[in-house]
Amino acid sequence: RKEVEQDPGPFNVPEGATVAFNCTYSNSASQSFFWYRQDCRKEPKLLMSVYSSGNEDGRFTAQLNRASQYISLLIRDSKLSDSATYLCVVTHYNQGGKLIFGQGTELSVKP
Amino acid sequence: DADVTQTPRNRITKTGKRIMLECSQTKGHDRMYWYRQDPGLGLRLIYYSFDVKDINKGEISDGYSVSRQAQAKFSLSLESAIPNQTALYFCATSDSLAGGPSDTQYFGPGTRLTVL
Repeated sequence: RKEVEQDPGPFNVPEGATVAFNCTYSNSASQSFFWYRQDCRKEPKLLMSVYSSGNEDGRFTAQLNRASQYISLLIRDSKLSDSATYLCVVTHYNQGGKLIFGQGTELSVKP
Repeated sequence: DADVTQTPRNRITKTGKRIMLECSQTKGHDRMYWYRQDPGLGLRLIYYSFDVKDINKGEISDGYSVSRQAQAKFSLSLESAIPNQTALYFCATSDSLAGGPSDTQYFGPGTRLTVL
């Protein structure tokens, strides 16, 4: 079993739709959580960190449930420019800050 | 100019050849990382370095070696390339123990390597 698993994609949604991505992690020692965005054939870039209390950045909301070892990303009012692959990432403080990536969920927003 | 650069951006080579991928950064970060990305598998860590004298193996280091020539430079070598090393390779940097909520890894643009 992979340490970080994400919803298999792709997600195809119309503009304006709300879409949610789910991610589970298997190591209860995981300490920090992130969502990265990767455009086609480009490098990953940090989208947002995920805090225990949940956090919001504009149309994006991230949630963390430590008890269930579950992370989510909600995108409201989808834009064409949101089309990308979204990567769920966890780290462990006792492993030198290495990022452990999920396989990614592809989102395609259509007009 | 980009903060993290990788050369070459694309490379096609043959089985058995020695290949070096280079990474340079102007961010002044101590920590540097090499990842490979394969379809359906996400990014996997090959090697990482916390400073010039500290090199560590990652998840999939077999068949690879690295050199940290300076704080700003971290090279990845494939001593004898094989076809299953065909992948997209990313270098990344961070300036502290990544894993804190405010820490970020910054990725280079990637090197697409094909081994025939």
